[in-house]
Amino acid sequence: NAGVTQTPKFRILKIGQSMTLQCTQDMNHNYMYWYRQDPGMGLKLIYYSVGAGITDKGEVPNGYNVSRSTTEDFPLRLELAAPSQTSVYFCASSYYGTGGYEQYFGPGTRLTVT
Amino acid sequence: KNEVEQSPQNLTAQEGEFITINCSYSVGISALHWLQQHPGGGIVSLFMLSSGKKKHGRLIATINIQEKHSSLHITASHPRDSAVYICAVSNSGYALNFGKGTSLLVTP
Repeated sequence: NAGVTQTPKFRILKIGQSMTLQCTQDMNHNYMYWYRQDPGMGLKLIYYSVGAGITDKGEVPNGYNVSRSTTEDFPLRLELAAPSQTSVYFCASSYYGTGGYEQYFGPGTRLTVT
Repeated sequence: KNEVEQSPQNLTAQEGEFITINCSYSVGISALHWLQQHPGGGIVSLFMLSSGKKKHGRLIATINIQEKHSSLHITASHPRDSAVYICAVSNSGYALNFGKGTSLLVTP
């Protein structure tokens, strides 16, 4: 199993450009998440999905969009990139195990908007 | 929203020392998670617990539901334990609220 994979690892965008961060998991998990991590701050939830075709906003959704057409893929779209979106982005997936939803994280995408 | 506080923010220890990292939260939870983030950024789940205590190798996690408090202990610390340790809680199920992390440096 590759687990959760993310591409690209690094990206520099100019203000106003758009891009899609890719996330794929091969563990057949229903639940998938996008988080952002800013220096000195805890991870914050951007969007999540409880299954194919179902997505919902998290704590910081503005400026982002998602889709979930398959169980495996959960891409994050940035439209009109802004410097405030400079961050490290983590995709994660989870299943319901004993006691709760254990989360599996991708390696992260470091995005800089200049 | 469940506020998650970790202490200390930064911790330096000598190899072999016993280490404790604390986490407190404000609202009742369904589960508490301890995660490890190494330099280079990858995040790995260490523990998920809703009561009592769990042990994995030199790592022990405990939780006191009544006091809304959890601790992560590392026995016989080693430089390879140097990482950021993150506490996170889930209230109604799957989404997590994260603490800011504790940065641990273990020196030889």
